[in-house]
Amino acid sequence: SAVISQKPSRDICQRGTSLTIQCQVDSQVTMMFWYRQQPGQSLTLIATANQGSEATYESGFVIDKFPISRPNLTFSTLTVSNMSPEDSSIYLCSVELGGRHTEAFFGQGTRLTVV
Amino acid sequence: AQSVTQPDIHITVSEGASLELRCNYSYGATPYLFWYVQSPGQGLQLLLKYFSGDTLVQGIKGFEAEFKRSQSSFNLRKPSVHWSDAAEYFCAVGATGTASKLTFGTGTRLQVTL
Repeated sequence: SAVISQKPSRDICQRGTSLTIQCQVDSQVTMMFWYRQQPGQSLTLIATANQGSEATYESGFVIDKFPISRPNLTFSTLTVSNMSPEDSSIYLCSVELGGRHTEAFFGQGTRLTVV
Repeated sequence: AQSVTQPDIHITVSEGASLELRCNYSYGATPYLFWYVQSPGQGLQLLLKYFSGDTLVQGIKGFEAEFKRSQSSFNLRKPSVHWSDAAEYFCAVGATGTASKLTFGTGTRLQVTL
């Protein structure tokens, strides 16, 4: 299994500002994933972060809005830039572990409120 | 593209009653299917997963799910619900061979009455 720590666990931010969310894993992983869960909604994949390469973004998400860093195999950050109230969501970090019977583990999430 | 449908947004059951949460998926090949639970203020916890083989899979907390290819379904069941099972349940599908880039259903909120 994997233990994933996210910081901060929650924050209230002013519109127009940026917030960087950190994700730390207790083991080395190749791929890390960032999801967004808007209020009352399901999870939507934002991007895949591989160490040593640029993140791959899903349709509807762009690097200028959600820049991602992946400096090593246990750490990643997601920045929510120029925030608006529509960015109020829970942001979750995830990793995939295992060989043949793979499994995804999730952090506790960062609850972001933009006012 | 893969997709997941959870037709029930909200379900209420009495403690001790049986439970079935529905999940239908759309995927061209053999899917990897998952059920996650999210308690208030908590992250996602994996209940069970299906990759291949026996179509009835057992998970944690007494949950089980049955994969029915003909119906494109992966319904979650529990014979006797406990009050602590109240939470949000998500069905998810992954591409064959991977749990990455999961596509989630919209979730079913379970309320348990005493």
